[in-house]
Amino acid sequence: DQQVKQNSPSLSVQEGRISILNCDYTNSMFDYFLWYKKYPAEGPTFLISISSIKDKNEDGRFTVFLNKSAKHLSLHIVPSQPGDSAVYFCAASGAYGGSTLGRLYFGRGTQLTVWP
Amino acid sequence: DAGVTQSPTHLIKTRGQQVTLRCSPKSGHDTVSWYQQALGQGPQFIFQYYEEEERQRGNFPDRFSGHQFPNYSSELNVNALLLGDSALYLCASSSPETTGPLHFGNGTRLTVT
Repeated sequence: DQQVKQNSPSLSVQEGRISILNCDYTNSMFDYFLWYKKYPAEGPTFLISISSIKDKNEDGRFTVFLNKSAKHLSLHIVPSQPGDSAVYFCAASGAYGGSTLGRLYFGRGTQLTVWP
Repeated sequence: DAGVTQSPTHLIKTRGQQVTLRCSPKSGHDTVSWYQQALGQGPQFIFQYYEEEERQRGNFPDRFSGHQFPNYSSELNVNALLLGDSALYLCASSSPETTGPLHFGNGTRLTVT
């Protein structure tokens, strides 16, 4: 059973515009959420995270929003750049910090393409 | 500062064979987790090693086993390979002392024919 879902397998956005990637989860015990970016032939690279005590976290062009009541989070990239083209994975953990953070539940990913 | 390193990069095996994949964690990390990423899927948790013991395990059969060495490096062993074991195997490291995210290696691409 997929506990983290990314329902859009792909997203195409023009350079300079906003990219919005969505993620839903089913397990109410999740309290730490992460976004990873993955290029072909590389491992996932951490992008940004948010704990359940917050509803927004911002880092440069990247902002993650968390709506706990809806069990939904989203990643906003503004402005989008061609170098952002990659697969984006949403992930969730049941414990904030500690070695239990090692177990992440991933979505299937969304392929973002940013065109000039 | 070396990140997570995995070897080999690619591997081709035949059904029924056994395979061993290796991982060295990021400097300062003592916990190693293994994930399997099948084509078109997100990474799936296999197991986690800390203090040379398996601490958590995902929904994988006993054909998947692992080991952690005193220097924190780790091995993933898969016995009696099936075609469905073909995937990218990712190693990730972390530390109980920090609350930072997992750091992943570039993975080992295993193809079972």
